[in-house]
Amino acid sequence: GAVVSQHPSRVICKSGTSVKIECRSLDFQATTMFWYRQFPKQSLMLMATSNEGSKATYEQGVEKDKFLINHASLTLSTLTVTSAHPEDSSFYICSARTSRIEQFFGPGTRLTVL
Amino acid sequence: KQEVTQIPAALSVPEGENLVLNCSFTDSAIYNLQWFRQDPGKGLTSLLLIQSSQREQTSGRLNASLDKSSGRSTLYIAASQPGDSATYLCAVRQNDYKLSFGAGTTVTVRA
Repeated sequence: GAVVSQHPSRVICKSGTSVKIECRSLDFQATTMFWYRQFPKQSLMLMATSNEGSKATYEQGVEKDKFLINHASLTLSTLTVTSAHPEDSSFYICSARTSRIEQFFGPGTRLTVL
Repeated sequence: KQEVTQIPAALSVPEGENLVLNCSFTDSAIYNLQWFRQDPGKGLTSLLLIQSSQREQTSGRLNASLDKSSGRSTLYIAASQPGDSATYLCAVRQNDYKLSFGAGTTVTVRA
């Protein structure tokens, strides 16, 4: 199957700093990528959908100024958590779509904000 | 809004026992349903995908059924092994192609 990578896998930062997470589709081009957030023992919550070359579509309740998403190419999307706070600590997972009905998921990034 | 529920939240069985994981969803107008496996601190691995017109899908020791009208799916894992220990997530895809996930069932298979 298609491979999606994320970098970094873990990041620890101080409160108030910004953190960038990269998501890459390694062997296919993804016109659409998704960013999810997962709290312990909870389901994945869709944060935003990003389409290459256009602005991301954010789900209700997700602050677009806090979670900046850029989808600059068909193989790369980035999520920047700006001015991170401890409540932003979570597991962030990206996904890339190869067709309307198939998505592949990255390994996730564990963000810890001190 | 689609709500996906998975019961039980956690399950512990001895090796060799069959596993039954349940998933229910509130809106039956789905495009398909997918079962994923998630290991601790890792991403998702797709196990089975059932189209809305299908009743079940099988892959090796895994069998998933779908009853769309009642909003239920069941994942069966036969002859469980310690390597089956993981969290299993159910996700339904709506006609807008978005996935809605359940919170998962965490399975522990004891050797």
